[in-house]
Amino acid sequence: GAGVSQSPSNKVTEKGKDVELRCDPISGHTALYWYRQSLGQGLEFLIYFQGNSAPDKSGLPSDRFSAERTGGSVSTLTIQRTQQEDSAVYLCASSPDRSNYEQYFGPGTRLTVT
Amino acid sequence: AQKITQTQPGMFVQEKEAVTLDCTYDTSDPSYGLFWYKQPSSGEMIFLIYQGSYDQQNATEGRYSLNFQKARKSANLVISASQLGDSAMYFCAMREGGRANNLFFGTGTRLTVIP
Repeated sequence: GAGVSQSPSNKVTEKGKDVELRCDPISGHTALYWYRQSLGQGLEFLIYFQGNSAPDKSGLPSDRFSAERTGGSVSTLTIQRTQQEDSAVYLCASSPDRSNYEQYFGPGTRLTVT
Repeated sequence: AQKITQTQPGMFVQEKEAVTLDCTYDTSDPSYGLFWYKQPSSGEMIFLIYQGSYDQQNATEGRYSLNFQKARKSANLVISASQLGDSAMYFCAMREGGRANNLFFGTGTRLTVIP
């Protein structure tokens, strides 16, 4: 079946502009996660959605970052007034439910802020 | 304190040899899960192996095995019979408790398999 998909695969934007990154989880997966991977670093947790519960936003680095998940499926990560330090690969993952062990990752969106 | 520590930024192994990638973790939660992911140059994260804190035996998946030493809080990945396609970044990660929310990742180890 189809895996997690993300769009766009690459995004170049000017400092100060807003960007939206999209994630389509695997169909039927109730849990969805966003991570950020800066160059040469591990993954940094950003936000977690589980079903209809309130999202865990504890990893969002500033109020310029927000995310929503419509209809329990597709998620959009929005970064307002982008800064150069926001340049990174943004990875989305999904899993079938909160008790499942494995997270399935998408290919990521490489964001470059110039 | 770092929840996951990978002390080897880079490792080299001869093709067909075995290699151990180190991972130590820090948690006070008695229930946790440990994961290893592979990230090739293409960027995708590929799940390799999982070990639960209450699992009595070390996890194995094909050529991958996890050397779980609970008292030492280590969860080293062993890759047997290395192949050229094993060259990639390897990340150790931990999920705390039964919450199944975010994973805490280490900084990774870049493995290069030499022909």
